[in-house]
Amino acid sequence: AAGVIQSPRHLIKEKRETATLKCYPIPRHDTVYWYQQGPGQDPQFLISFYEKMQSDKGSIPDRFSAQQFSDYHSELNMSSLELGDSALYFCASSLEASGANVLTFGAGSRLTVL
Amino acid sequence: AQSVAQPEDQVNVAEGNPLTVKCTYSVSGNPYLFWYVQYPNRGLQFLLKYITGDNLVKGSYGFEAEFNKSQTSFHLKKPSALVSDSALYFCAVRGGTNAGKSTFGDGTTLTVKP
Repeated sequence: AAGVIQSPRHLIKEKRETATLKCYPIPRHDTVYWYQQGPGQDPQFLISFYEKMQSDKGSIPDRFSAQQFSDYHSELNMSSLELGDSALYFCASSLEASGANVLTFGAGSRLTVL
Repeated sequence: AQSVAQPEDQVNVAEGNPLTVKCTYSVSGNPYLFWYVQYPNRGLQFLLKYITGDNLVKGSYGFEAEFNKSQTSFHLKKPSALVSDSALYFCAVRGGTNAGKSTFGDGTTLTVKP
């Protein structure tokens, strides 16, 4: 079965650079979530989209933005990168319309800021 | 605001013994409760969920969890632990009225020794 696909798997950037992470949800899933997990930390919710519209917003810095496109893939854009942005970024998708509420996570994109 | 507490950073059990990983929650309305497992350098994998119905929920790999409304708890259990169960376990909650984010606990590292 198709899973949540995230790219790139690893990304190394320097301070003040920009980065873009991509997420391809499970086909027919209507909701996409972005989470940030720092070393030894629990996943922190950043932002979510339902049917291509932003549905909820968490602890996403103003330097970050995200969107969901017509093909349901989502991109997380990060600018003016800081050392503290180094983390594992997870995308998850779910089919909210079914009421299942289960998140299926991608393998994550590991961002290292030098 | 919804929140999750996992009071133990670390749980150590011997193989073959029963295991319990504790979780308590706070949420407005009826809770949707989840357990996820994370293996090193991997995304979170869904184990089980409670939405409604029977308070004892059975999930993947022989795990089960009991929803206790009066104690606002959702402890994860397994009658006989395996070495391969060693991983990081996250409890998550979302309010029945909040269709957006899931809030995760800090995680509990389970180590099963032979």
